[in-house]
Amino acid sequence: ETGVTQTPRHLVMGMTNKKSLKCEQHLGHNAMYWYKQSAKKPLELMFVYSLEERVENNSVPSRFSPECPNSSHLFLHLHTLQPEDSALYLCASSQEFRGIGELFFGEGSRLTVL
Amino acid sequence: AQSVAQPEDQVNVAEGNPLTVKCTYSVSGNPYLFWYVQYPNRGLQFLLKYITGDNLVKGSYGFEAEFNKSQTSFHLKKPSALVSDSALYFCAVDTGTASKLTFGTGTRLQVTL
Repeated sequence: ETGVTQTPRHLVMGMTNKKSLKCEQHLGHNAMYWYKQSAKKPLELMFVYSLEERVENNSVPSRFSPECPNSSHLFLHLHTLQPEDSALYLCASSQEFRGIGELFFGEGSRLTVL
Repeated sequence: AQSVAQPEDQVNVAEGNPLTVKCTYSVSGNPYLFWYVQYPNRGLQFLLKYITGDNLVKGSYGFEAEFNKSQTSFHLKKPSALVSDSALYFCAVDTGTASKLTFGTGTRLQVTL
């Protein structure tokens, strides 16, 4: 069982659909993250949760809505997305929010918006 | 604001040859530097990090990186490349107090026989 699990691995949705991405970490970490990975661009940090509280929201459009019901689970709810939102969405966790520990990433959810 | 530059989109190396993937950074304060690797259709995996101490850091799969404060660089190296090292490599920087780890754009390493 990998440390950080993301589902689904692939998702195709229309612009009017509502869908959710799920992330689960089995590492006992206190911080969880959503990143967006687009080709030839740096990873973009979208949201950070520390002990289930959102501590960072990097000017992400409201069509992306995160949810962290407990320290092991993180969701990204998607609604009325645009084609430019097509990307690989990576979930990560770390022991603490601030500090020098490394991030542990899931394998990502490849999102295609038609 | 902190930033990371990976000047090469792609590095091509023959198997058995040494490899270097370049990274330079800009931060206010002491940097914490990281390298991550991403294999096709996978998430990022941690390779190594520099926090303090020895400038030469050893990591997973035989990789190492050298911290050079005067040149603000943290190049990734391996003495002898393997075809299985072919992947996308990301450099990242943090200061420990910043709210985010800043990543570079990535360098694709292609190792051929």
